[in-house]
Amino acid sequence: EAGVAQSPRYKIIEKRQSVAFWCNPISGHATLYWYQQILGQGPKLLIQFQNNGVVDDSQLPKDRFSAERLKGVDSTLKIQPAKLEDSAVYLCASSQMSPLGEQFFGPGTRLTVL
Amino acid sequence: GDSVTQMEGPVTLSEEAFLTINCTYTATGYPSLFWYVQYPGEGLQLLLKATKADDKGSNKGFEATYRKETTSFHLEKGSVQVSDSAVYFCALRKTGANSKLTFGKGITLSVRP
Repeated sequence: EAGVAQSPRYKIIEKRQSVAFWCNPISGHATLYWYQQILGQGPKLLIQFQNNGVVDDSQLPKDRFSAERLKGVDSTLKIQPAKLEDSAVYLCASSQMSPLGEQFFGPGTRLTVL
Repeated sequence: GDSVTQMEGPVTLSEEAFLTINCTYTATGYPSLFWYVQYPGEGLQLLLKATKADDKGSNKGFEATYRKETTSFHLEKGSVQVSDSAVYFCALRKTGANSKLTFGKGITLSVRP
């Protein structure tokens, strides 16, 4: 079974530029998560989708971050404009709809903002 | 709000040593508790979990027991190997539609041959 796919794996941009990350969850997984992992910290949820509806985006900095999940499958996370403090690894995870469904994580995208 | 506190790291052990990594949590209700592991160059993987008080999760020689009275979920292994070198994260998850994981800061374990 294929795992969660993310691209790109690495991205370096200058502050005030924009960037987009892509995630393809495990087939059949209705729930998709984006986490931000800053160096030395644990991952923090940015947004959770159930199919293509948003369940929780309370920690998403909506003035610069946006995310969508068209057709309830792939998802993109965008940052515009980026700030230095956005340097982090962005993790995508997916799970089945069951409340106890295990979350499977992708390899992450490491973003460096200069 | 909900939170997870892990002991400060890093931790360096010799092969075959006993391992304990402390984890305590603060949450309302009855969360499920998890340990995730991140090996060098790889993504986060679920190591073990426990969904109710007094449950013991186990996998690959690692164990952790859900202690509601002390709000703890300490990770233990009787004899570590070099291949156990990784970053370990304790996490909790509430039941319900919002099933996000709340993670601790993680701790780096290095095992010397």
